[in-house]
Amino acid sequence: AAGVIQSPRHLIKEKRETATLKCYPIPRHDTVYWYQQGPGQDPQFLISFYEKMQSDKGSIPDRFSAQQFSDYHSELNMSSLELGDSALYFCASSPGYEQYFGPGTRLTVT
Amino acid sequence: GQQVMQIPQYQHVQEGEDFTTYCNSSTTLSNIQWYKQRPGGHPVFLIQLVKSGEVKKQKRLTFQFGEAKKNSSLHITATQTTDVGTYFCAARDKLIFGTGTRLQVFP
Repeated sequence: AAGVIQSPRHLIKEKRETATLKCYPIPRHDTVYWYQQGPGQDPQFLISFYEKMQSDKGSIPDRFSAQQFSDYHSELNMSSLELGDSALYFCASSPGYEQYFGPGTRLTVT
Repeated sequence: GQQVMQIPQYQHVQEGEDFTTYCNSSTTLSNIQWYKQRPGGHPVFLIQLVKSGEVKKQKRLTFQFGEAKKNSSLHITATQTTDVGTYFCAARDKLIFGTGTRLQVFP
């Protein structure tokens, strides 16, 4: 069965650089979520989209933005990267109540 | 703000022993979900509970939602090494994950 695809899987950036993370949800899933997970931490909700419209906003910094495109893929744009942005970034898609997580993008900011 | 706490933070058990993790919310929840995250992996949905006092079973796993809908528990009977991972509860309507319980099972 198709799963959520995230790219890239690993990303190394320097402070103050920008990064773009991509997410391809499972076909026919109408909701996409973005989470940030630090080492040993629980996933922190950043933002979600329902049918390409932003539906909920969590603890997403102003330096980050996201959107969902007409083909339902989503991108998380991160600017002015800080060392504290180093984390695993998960995308999840949902057809209803359960969320299906992608493998994540490990971002390292040096 | 809304918090969902889990205890214990860590649990080490011998294979064959039982394991329970408890999830407590500061406010009433409309539903609770449970996820398992293997080391180096991503969270995987296990179950959703909606009704007050609801109990659901999946093989060796038993999930319970409290009567007041502010707490939940996950009990694993006769743990196996494949049960290793971090178990998160999640308040689905608030999009908040619990602090997680990391389970280690020794053979």
